[in-house]
Formats: sequence, structure tokens, C-alpha cells
Amino acid sequence: QQKVQQSPESLTVSEGAMASLNCTFSDGTSDNFRWYRQHSGKGLEVLVSIFSDGEKEEGRFTAHLNRASLHVSLHIREPQPSDSAVYLCAMNTGGADRLTFGKGTQLIIQP
Amino acid sequence: AQTIHQWPVAEIKAVGSPLSLGCTIKGKSSPNLYWYWQATGGTLQQLFYSITVGQVESVVQLNLSASRPKDDQFILSTEKLLLSHSGFYLCAWSLGWGPAETLYFGSGTRLTVL
Repeated sequence: QQKVQQSPESLTVSEGAMASLNCTFSDGTSDNFRWYRQHSGKGLEVLVSIFSDGEKEEGRFTAHLNRASLHVSLHIREPQPSDSAVYLCAMNTGGADRLTFGKGTQLIIQP
Repeated sequence: AQTIHQWPVAEIKAVGSPLSLGCTIKGKSSPNLYWYWQATGGTLQQLFYSITVGQVESVVQLNLSASRPKDDQFILSTEKLLLSHSGFYLCAWSLGWGPAETLYFGSGTRLTVL
């Protein structure tokens, strides 16, 4: 079964500095990858979907995918305190029902 | 615009009591619907999915059941709650079934079983 590891578990970044989150997966059969975020006690908000190697930008959020190294990352440009949340990496290995999530990275943006 | 509404926002229930959680999607015809569960400190796990009214597939066995009585409604229930049912329950929808489909989530229900 596909495994998803996220790092770091927790990250504190100053407002305005780049925040970088990482996700590794166990094999290269995944079709696509998504980054979600979850504010405390709230539902999930999709940030970026990436389907091929390279870079995908959505506003201040940029995902980088490298299937050869089994790695996908998320970079947040000019983060603000309102970006403080748990960020979840998810990958899909088939239909929409085969979505595997990582445990998440707790991101704290300090003013 | 599509909206997804979950109810209740939070529940505190006793072990052995029944449970019913609901989810409604507006603005989208015949969506695929999903129930996910997240134990405290745990990973999101898919519990059920439904492609059409009246049809529900179970993914993880947790002594819970799900039903889709209407095209826009998904219900999660059990007759007897266990302590292990505590956690955060999320309903989600997608437009289609392919791997490129994005899941859109509701705000969730926080369940505490005492």
C-alpha cells in the first residue's frame, strides 16, 4: 500500500519568509498529488494539484514534483499568520476513491 | 457555486448510544460522495464512498454504516458508539471518478465519545 511521509512534523516561520514543506511516497505509481490545508477544527481546503514532474503554481503556493526521487514539496511565498494550519499531502493511485493522505505538517507563521 | 454542509458541527455522545451525521451538497448534480475519518493525531482515512443514490461502498470497517437516501445527501450512522469512534468526520464530494478528480471537503463534525 502506498505510504506517504511528511516532514517536518512542525515548522515555525516568520511572516514574509518562504515556508517549505516536504512529502515522500513509497513508490512512483501515483497518478497525481495534491496539497490541502486544514485550519484548526475546520475542513480541508485544496491548495495545489500537480500531475506531472516539475512545478505548479497557484497564487502564493508552488508545488514541485519529482517522481524519480519520490518527492513532492510545497513552497509558500510571503506567508501570513492566517496561513498557520496543518498542511496535508495527498496522492491518488487510481480512481477518486484511492486517495492516501500523509499525517500533515503543522505550520506556524509568526508575526 | 457548490456548497457542502455537514451537521452537526460537534457531538458529545455516550458509549453505546446511536449516532447520525449528515452531509448535503448543493449546486452539483450526481456528485460522488465520500466519508473520511481522522482520529486525534491520526491520518485521514476514507470510510465510505458513493457514486449514486442508494449505493454505498465500504472502505474501512469501523462498525459504522453509511447511506445515500437522496442524490445530494450522505448519512453516516451507527446504532452503538464505541470509544474508538471519537475523532473528526469529514464529508467530501468529487465531480467524477478519475484520478485527476479533486475532492472537496466540508467543515467536518467533531465527535467525542465518553
